[in-house]
Amino acid sequence: QQPVQSPQAVILREGEDAVINCSSSKALYSVHWYRQKHGEAPVFLMILLKGGEQKGHEKISASFNEKKQQSSLYLTASQLSYSGTYFCGTVYGNKLVFGAGTILRVKS
Amino acid sequence: DAGVIQSPRHEVTEMGQEVTLRCKPISGHNSLFWYRQTMMRGLELLIYFNNNVPIDDSGMPEDRFSAKMPNASFSTLKIQPSEPRDSAVYFCASSLQGSYTEAFFGQGTRLTVV
Repeated sequence: QQPVQSPQAVILREGEDAVINCSSSKALYSVHWYRQKHGEAPVFLMILLKGGEQKGHEKISASFNEKKQQSSLYLTASQLSYSGTYFCGTVYGNKLVFGAGTILRVKS
Repeated sequence: DAGVIQSPRHEVTEMGQEVTLRCKPISGHNSLFWYRQTMMRGLELLIYFNNNVPIDDSGMPEDRFSAKMPNASFSTLKIQPSEPRDSAVYFCASSLQGSYTEAFFGQGTRLTVV
């Protein structure tokens, strides 16, 4: 069991916006977002713990709709440094389980 | 703090050999996770420790895999005997308190079994 992410991949030009979605078939109480650059470890972006909560990190923000069991990550005015694979993580039982990831590539 | 420290960074071994991966979590963190990452299966949780006690090992693929956490500052993941399909990047991560707080990942161990 793992959350479902969409899209699988997205290509942007610098300055464009993107949205990455994460949904679960099970009840969600929290959503984690991480970014992994090629050859590196995943790095924490944010956790959303409350239904309807929104959080921000630089020009990256996220929303969490507990009732709909989904979260979205918003990347605004993308920069080259935003390139990488984005993972959402959800807690099932005691376990932090990650989605398959969304590959984001920002081109100049 | 130096972060989560894993060793070795790279390991190449022959099929059938025993492999031991090591992890030192961040001091003060009480939760430790072992993940395996492959192109086909993504980031899979293998086992989760809380206060040095294994809480969930349902992700451990087979009896060939075992993990220990003898104290709060050290954990090992052992594969015996190793097989080519075990080739992957193995990440250790730690968090302050369980799965609801930020997980800090080590740099990973790239394992190649030939």
